[in-house]
Amino acid sequence: DAGVIQSPRHEVTEMGQEVTLRCKPISGHDYLFWYRQTMMRGLELLIYFNNNVPIDDSGMPEDRFSAKMPNASFSTLKIQPSEPRDSAVYFCASSSDSRETQYFGPGTRLLVL
Amino acid sequence: GQQLNQSPQSMFIQEGEDVSMNCTSSSIFNTWLWYKQDPGEGPVLLIALYKAGELTSNGRLTAQFGITRKDSFLNISASIPSDVGIYFCAGQLTGYSTLTFGKGTMLLVSP
Repeated sequence: DAGVIQSPRHEVTEMGQEVTLRCKPISGHDYLFWYRQTMMRGLELLIYFNNNVPIDDSGMPEDRFSAKMPNASFSTLKIQPSEPRDSAVYFCASSSDSRETQYFGPGTRLLVL
Repeated sequence: GQQLNQSPQSMFIQEGEDVSMNCTSSSIFNTWLWYKQDPGEGPVLLIALYKAGELTSNGRLTAQFGITRKDSFLNISASIPSDVGIYFCAGQLTGYSTLTFGKGTMLLVSP
C-alpha cells in the first residue's frame, strides 16, 4: 500500500495568495483527518471526514480555511487568503474505523511570506 | 477541553542509555497511543494501549496505561541513534473518532 499521499511536500507563497493542499487517503479508509503542526501549539485537529462527509470542523481557525472531500480518494484543504501565521506543517491522516490507528501522510510544509 | 501534558519537552542522552517519558491528562481516556515523528515525516504509531494498567512492549519500547486512565508512560531501553525524533502521546475516548495529542518529547541520542 502506498500510504497516505500529500502534495505538495513544500509550499512557499506570499501573503494574500490562495493555497491548496491535497491528500489521498489509504484505499478503503473511511475516515480522513486534517491536522496542523506548529512549535507553539503542537498537533491540532482542523477537521475530519467520515465517508466524505465533514463531521467536525470546530478546529478550523477561521473562514479563510475550507476543506472538501469530493470522493473517497481525494481531499483538499484550502487557505484563501493566506497569512504569515498560517505557516506550519499540515498533515493528513486516514483510518479504517473511528477506533483504528490513524496513518499520517508525510505532511506539507507551508511558508507564507 | 482536554489537555495532555507531556514531559520532558526534550532529552539529550548517550547511546545505550534508557529513556523514560510520560503524559498526564486532566481527564480520563479509554485509549492511549504513542507515536514517533522522524524529521521531515509524519507521526508513526509505535504502541497502542486499550486497558487501564496494560503494559505493552514493542522491541525496545515499553508503554503503560495508567491505572487512573489519566496518564501513560513510554520507556526506551538501550537507546540507539535512530531513536532520534519527536515522541507524541495521544489519548482517545470511546465513541470519539478524534485524538488529543501531547506537545511531544524531542529525543536526541549522541553516538
